[in-house]
Amino acid sequence: QQQVKQSPQSLIVQKGGISIINCAYENTAFDYFPWYQQFPGKGPALLIAIRPDVSEKKEGRFTISFNKSAKQFSLHIMDSQPGDSATYFCAASSPQGGSEKLVFGKGTKLTVNP
Amino acid sequence: GAGVSQSPRYKVAKRGQDVALRCDPISGHVSLFWYQQALGQGPEFLTYFQNEAQLDKSGLPSDRFFAERPEGSVSTLKIQRTQQEDSAVYLCASSPTLTGGKGSNEKLFFGSGTQLSVL
Repeated sequence: QQQVKQSPQSLIVQKGGISIINCAYENTAFDYFPWYQQFPGKGPALLIAIRPDVSEKKEGRFTISFNKSAKQFSLHIMDSQPGDSATYFCAASSPQGGSEKLVFGKGTKLTVNP
Repeated sequence: GAGVSQSPRYKVAKRGQDVALRCDPISGHVSLFWYQQALGQGPEFLTYFQNEAQLDKSGLPSDRFFAERPEGSVSTLKIQRTQQEDSAVYLCASSPTLTGGKGSNEKLFFGSGTQLSVL
């Protein structure tokens, strides 16, 4: 059972456009929702994260929107650039069990055309 | 070092061979995680260490997988009698904070991984 469902699988955007990636979760114990960016041959790197006590968080061109009642959250990349071309993963974790292990979505491959 | 270092970068093993994958976390980082990333998929949790203690190994897929961190710094993931389904990228991540508190994931740094191919 996939705990975090991510869509779309791939996304092509023109330079300057807005990229939107969506994730949905089932486990209401999740209390931390990060987005990771991964370039080929590299490990994931934390991009931005949110906790459920706020509905939106913005850092530069990156914004997370969070809808607790719908159990959904999304990543918006404004003014997308070719350098943003990478695979993006949403994730979630809960404090249950003590390890706060991350549960990842399957990823979205973003291509930003120049 | 500047980041989490993993070695080897690539490993090719024959089916049935044992392999050992090494992770050098960022100096002073208390928490260490291992994740498995299959081709085209998101990382999946394998195991977690707090210093030298292995507190969670619920993600290890079988008893062929074994991880250790004897001195609370370098960690080794060992896979015995490798199978083709073990082929994946194995990622190590470290954090300066303890889990169970708010913040371990917020300072989580991943290495570039070891790509294991089992033939």
